[in-house]
Amino acid sequence: AQSVAQPEDQVNVAEGNPLTVKCTYSVSGNPYLFWYVQYPNRGLQFLLKYITGDNLVKGSYGFEAEFNKSQTSFHLKKPSALVSDSALYFCAVRARGNNRLAFGKGNQVVVIP
Amino acid sequence: GAGVSQSPSNKVTEKGKDVELRCDPISGHTALYWYRQSLGQGLEFLIYFQGNSAPDKSGLPSDRFSAERTGGSVSTLTIQRTQQEDSAVYLCASRLPDRYEQYFGPGTRLTVT
Repeated sequence: AQSVAQPEDQVNVAEGNPLTVKCTYSVSGNPYLFWYVQYPNRGLQFLLKYITGDNLVKGSYGFEAEFNKSQTSFHLKKPSALVSDSALYFCAVRARGNNRLAFGKGNQVVVIP
Repeated sequence: GAGVSQSPSNKVTEKGKDVELRCDPISGHTALYWYRQSLGQGLEFLIYFQGNSAPDKSGLPSDRFSAERTGGSVSTLTIQRTQQEDSAVYLCASRLPDRYEQYFGPGTRLTVT
């Protein structure tokens, strides 16, 4: 079985401050990990992925995420949040050899001007 | 280039009626997925198509749900005898055969009254 936990329903951050969105996962073997963002009334947009190699991966819009195998985590980070980053963020995991993604419930990020 | 498109964008139907939801994947994307997103929930996997292989239907919640993919391109998700609990946003995603990330359409919001 594969699953994702996003422990916080909502993350509030002041504009210009660092943003962190937490994700932990459970999967057999080595995972493929993803972050997606969903703006209101829009589909999900791909932000970044971890497949193999460097634990720190960089993605779109200045976001990055760090794969931590010992803590089974893949937290999303941005050094300086923008009001336009306010959206719903989903973490997802896929076990190698499995075709389907398991998504977390999502985190609402609110960036306060 | 053109992204994943879905139609209709909104569908209101009466309980007991059948509905068809359509997905046009990105050209060249041989993998196609259907998900369901209910309010306050994450994304629930429904079905996966890859080329000419038999689809992975393991996520379909009941035998009222079915999906087809004709000619390796367009897909239709059919829900028969709709129930109120079927109300959700239905998302389609596609992926290149040698890539890991999925690209999502804007979704169809289904409301069963």
